[in-house]
Amino acid sequence: EAAVTQSPRNKVAVTGGKVTLSCNQTNNHNNMYWYRQDTGHGLRLIHYSYGAGSTEKGDIPDGYKASRPSQENFSLILELATPSQTSVYFCASGRRVSSAETLYFGSGTRLTVL
Amino acid sequence: GDQVKQSPSALSLQEGTNSALRCNFSIATTTVQWFLQNPRGSLMNLFYLVPGTKENGRLKSTFNSKESYSTLHIRDAQLEDSGTYFCAADNTGNYKYVFGAGTRLKVIA
Repeated sequence: EAAVTQSPRNKVAVTGGKVTLSCNQTNNHNNMYWYRQDTGHGLRLIHYSYGAGSTEKGDIPDGYKASRPSQENFSLILELATPSQTSVYFCASGRRVSSAETLYFGSGTRLTVL
Repeated sequence: GDQVKQSPSALSLQEGTNSALRCNFSIATTTVQWFLQNPRGSLMNLFYLVPGTKENGRLKSTFNSKESYSTLHIRDAQLEDSGTYFCAADNTGNYKYVFGAGTRLKVIA
């Protein structure tokens, strides 16, 4: 079974501070994704990556950066956190077989920006 | 958002009954995934679909690409089926999945 681990599970930050959310997957999946989940919006894609060294903008990238230093690790960085970034963040990795890709999600990080 | 519209937004089912959840797409999509988020918040993949039908136990899902919709049928609902069901569409086939807002399902005894 795919294993995607996020840290921290919970985080409280102050406005203007820097926040780094980490994600690690141990299944050698090429693709990794960062989503945020807010009531009424489902999950919205922030950044994604096709492999080590690659980062791509998703649908709502403003205010976020991403880093993929290795196949296993994908970080989401908030350089100047704002209260509007209070949310639950999910990381996922994608297992691709032929043209099919199944997403495996981490347990989520609940971020509160005061 | 409205690119992937799920209905109903919430549903309460008696244990043992059947129901269907639906996703309508206003974006071009070649594949659809269905997920269940359990009450603890964990997201589990239920189905990955190209146009056609898949079945797994009491769940069956269909993706009709010509009419831009997908359905998830739940047969003989059990208490552990409770949670929020999300569908996600592969926007233009580039693996950028767009999620619907979800259907909150509560199965009652």
